[in-house]
Amino acid sequence: GQQVMQIPQYQHVQEGEDFTTYCNSSTTLSNIQWYKQRPGGHPVFLIQLVKSGEVKKQKRLTFQFGEAKKNSSLHITATQTTDVGTYFCAGRISGGSNYKLTFGKGTLLTVNP
Amino acid sequence: DAGVIQSPRHEVTEMGQEVTLRCKPISGHDYLFWYRQTMMRGLELLIYFNNNVPIDDSGMPEDRFSAKMPNASFSTLKIQPSEPRDSAVYFCASSFDPHRGTYEQYFGPGTRLTVT
Repeated sequence: GQQVMQIPQYQHVQEGEDFTTYCNSSTTLSNIQWYKQRPGGHPVFLIQLVKSGEVKKQKRLTFQFGEAKKNSSLHITATQTTDVGTYFCAGRISGGSNYKLTFGKGTLLTVNP
Repeated sequence: DAGVIQSPRHEVTEMGQEVTLRCKPISGHDYLFWYRQTMMRGLELLIYFNNNVPIDDSGMPEDRFSAKMPNASFSTLKIQPSEPRDSAVYFCASSFDPHRGTYEQYFGPGTRLTVT
């Protein structure tokens, strides 16, 4: 079945440093979504990418969707303590009518103030 | 809107007991999803409904798990009998029809289940 791999599993940074998490799918995706889950909380939607090569920005966060629509990345510039949490990518397989998302296992980001 | 509502927030039960988790999706949403989250396996989709009809239950671990959606505002996930390996956080999420555009999923606060 479809697999979505995410690396790294953990990332610890000093406040102000940059952070990147990568997502790779075994199959072509129709779109990819990113979610953030704070410790003890629930996943919260951040963004959806649909087009090949698409790049979207939200303040210090930059999201990219690969040309082949099989990989994606999230980059945070100058991390802050409020960025702490687990970041998940979730992909929907291309060409099907099934609307389920397959989630990566997430990258846990911790920030040292 | 109150968001997705789940109850109970915490459940501790003994092995062999029946457990029922409840979810009220956001009004107007067409899709409802049940997920299970553990450290080992991450966030797994168990089943999802479209307009109250189960569409894909391939993630349901075994016959001990069942889910229903009797109407647009209520769904249940039942485990009978429960086992210690069922201990996890169970999330319910809902979304609009994807044809409307971005179909972000709104997650509830989750139910933390512990089976002893």
